[in-house]
Amino acid sequence: GEDVEQSLFLSVREGDSSVINCTYTDSSSTYLYWYKQEPGAGLQLLTYIFSNMDMKQDQRLTVLLNKKDKHLSLRIADTQTGDSAIYFCAESIQTLVFGKGTRLSVIA
Amino acid sequence: EADIYQTPRYLVIGTGKKITLECSQTMGHDKMYWYQQDPGMELHLIHYSYGVNSTEKGDLSSESTVSRIRTEHFPLTLESARPSHTSQYLCASSERGRDTQYFGPGTRLTVL
Repeated sequence: GEDVEQSLFLSVREGDSSVINCTYTDSSSTYLYWYKQEPGAGLQLLTYIFSNMDMKQDQRLTVLLNKKDKHLSLRIADTQTGDSAIYFCAESIQTLVFGKGTRLSVIA
Repeated sequence: EADIYQTPRYLVIGTGKKITLECSQTMGHDKMYWYQQDPGMELHLIHYSYGVNSTEKGDLSSESTVSRIRTEHFPLTLESARPSHTSQYLCASSERGRDTQYFGPGTRLTVL
């Protein structure tokens, strides 16, 4: 079945690293995505990784993909208060299937 | 930066009114989508379109209807709004052959 799972909440201190985890069930997904949603806004595409890659790094963001375990993670280095938002994981199976979102709170 | 627009951003109306939420994109994307978002964050796909004159229902049953007469425009209509329709509505688009979706800013609808 198509089901993307994420923990609902994460709280970190400013300056620490944040790791948001996601599991998916369909091994045929070609791309996996991370979106960010700030209060009152739509979803902003943060990054995505092709299914034949293990890791992708973009400035403070690192995406790790473990295809064997169907596990995707997003690491945010040096987390700032501006990173407080909801983060959605999504897998690509003809269309995007989204997780329920992880609310990241950054404590100053 | 995606060029996808939604109007109005906020709407408060009374029960029984007919409303249309507008969504436009200037990227020439073939595919467009409407999502309803719970206060608890989860996204539900309610309608999508593969191109002009194509409309399909999504995973969540919705009393709304959509039309796709022009590539850039994908309006959503509620014939008779009810309090249960109170939600955030997000529009998105993607280009042909790609799954990456780009989202508009959303319309927050409150039905009294």
